[in-house]
Amino acid sequence: EVQLVQSGAEVKKPGESLKISCKGSGYTFTTYWIAWVRQMPGKGLEWMGIIYPGDSDARYSPSFQGQVTISADKSISTAYLQWSSLKASDTAMYYCARSRRAYSSGRDGLDIWGQGTMVTVSS
Amino acid sequence: DIQTTQSPSSLSASVGDRVTITCQASQGIRNYFSWYQQKPGKAPKLLIYETSNLETGVPSRFSGSGSGTDFTFTISSLQPEDIATYYCQQYENLPFFGGGTKVEIK
Repeated sequence: EVQLVQSGAEVKKPGESLKISCKGSGYTFTTYWIAWVRQMPGKGLEWMGIIYPGDSDARYSPSFQGQVTISADKSISTAYLQWSSLKASDTAMYYCARSRRAYSSGRDGLDIWGQGTMVTVSS
Repeated sequence: DIQTTQSPSSLSASVGDRVTITCQASQGIRNYFSWYQQKPGKAPKLLIYETSNLETGVPSRFSGSGSGTDFTFTISSLQPEDIATYYCQQYENLPFFGGGTKVEIK
């Protein structure tokens, strides 16, 4: 079964760092882009960025460039989203999702989604 | 960046009704357009890719069309299990989601 399994919910304080994960299985992890999508409480979906695990080529939405870092470790089929200094406004559900086609340019629908990781930032 | 404006933000319809949601891109795009369904507490689900292609396993009452700047998503006969929020997404360049349409049963 093709799936993405994300790490568990996190509760952090402002200023702390955090790295959440997304592990792929059931397919060749290195050949599909992985996107990260934010959903703030009660709000819509926001595309944050994307990475190609085969060569770690990462691209960011201008809204998130410099705010987060997207990375991947292809040896363990895992993508990551990390913050160096969290803010209360980072409180949200974060989803990873896979591009629909292998070897695509990244211009693709997202067909497999993780279950989401809830990040709560509060003092 | 290419923005997408989705409308309406919410709608209420009866079981069996035809439901239409539209998205307008800020500039013309090719067929790099998808539609997703999100039920409360769940991850989004891909329904339509490349404007009009139905994802495997998705019921045929869902469809998509459009070109240039105007794209449409249709549920031909609304069912109770279709209650959800629907999002459009362009991926001509940096992907961008529309604001969502919450669909409720009247």
